[in-house]
Amino acid sequence: GENVEQHPSTLSVQEGDSAVIKCTYSDSASNYFPWYKQELGKRPQLIIDIRSNVGEKKDQRIAVTLNKTAKHFSLHITETQPEDSAVYFCAATPRANTGFQKLVFGTGTRLLVSP
Amino acid sequence: GAVVSQHPSWVICKSGTSVKIECRSLDFQATTMFWYRQFPKQSLMLMATSNEGSKATYEQGVEKDKFLINHASLTLSTLTVTSAHPEDSSFYICSARVISAINTEAFFGQGTRLTVV
Repeated sequence: GENVEQHPSTLSVQEGDSAVIKCTYSDSASNYFPWYKQELGKRPQLIIDIRSNVGEKKDQRIAVTLNKTAKHFSLHITETQPEDSAVYFCAATPRANTGFQKLVFGTGTRLLVSP
Repeated sequence: GAVVSQHPSWVICKSGTSVKIECRSLDFQATTMFWYRQFPKQSLMLMATSNEGSKATYEQGVEKDKFLINHASLTLSTLTVTSAHPEDSSFYICSARVISAINTEAFFGQGTRLTVV
């Protein structure tokens, strides 16, 4: 089955710096890659996603890049702010026989942005 | 975005008892819902895929007789933890995707924190 690895597990940056989180996946047929932000005790919230027919997507301070050949994708946060502090999860949607595909999550990155 | 509501938000139960968790899609229909378990400081681990009108599909290592899933309508799936033990204490989260669409955003319930004493 699909296996998603995520690095680093923790990331500390100063306010205003950039943060990069990287994920790799194993199933070359995976075609949807969302990123979620989860604050303590709360539900995951989608922050950006990318489909396999696109190499890069940007939404204000957040961008995601996808390299299908290498099977890895990355989250880039620029001009980080203390409120960006949270746990971030990448996910991939592996091949399935039905139209409804499950999400396989990475192990998570705890981002701490210091003022 | 679409709303998924999960109930209860937290529950404390005695060892050996059963607990039912509900997951509802409030403003859309969901043929399929997913149940995840999350231990402290860990990732979301998929437990099972809940299919409306048919049996759930369980991930490897998840006991189907212990974690009973029922998806009786297009807006409701339930997870029952039977004969709960302290090791079942965890954060359980459901999610759903909009019907008849693939590769769309998955919406999550607010989660249920289960503590078995």
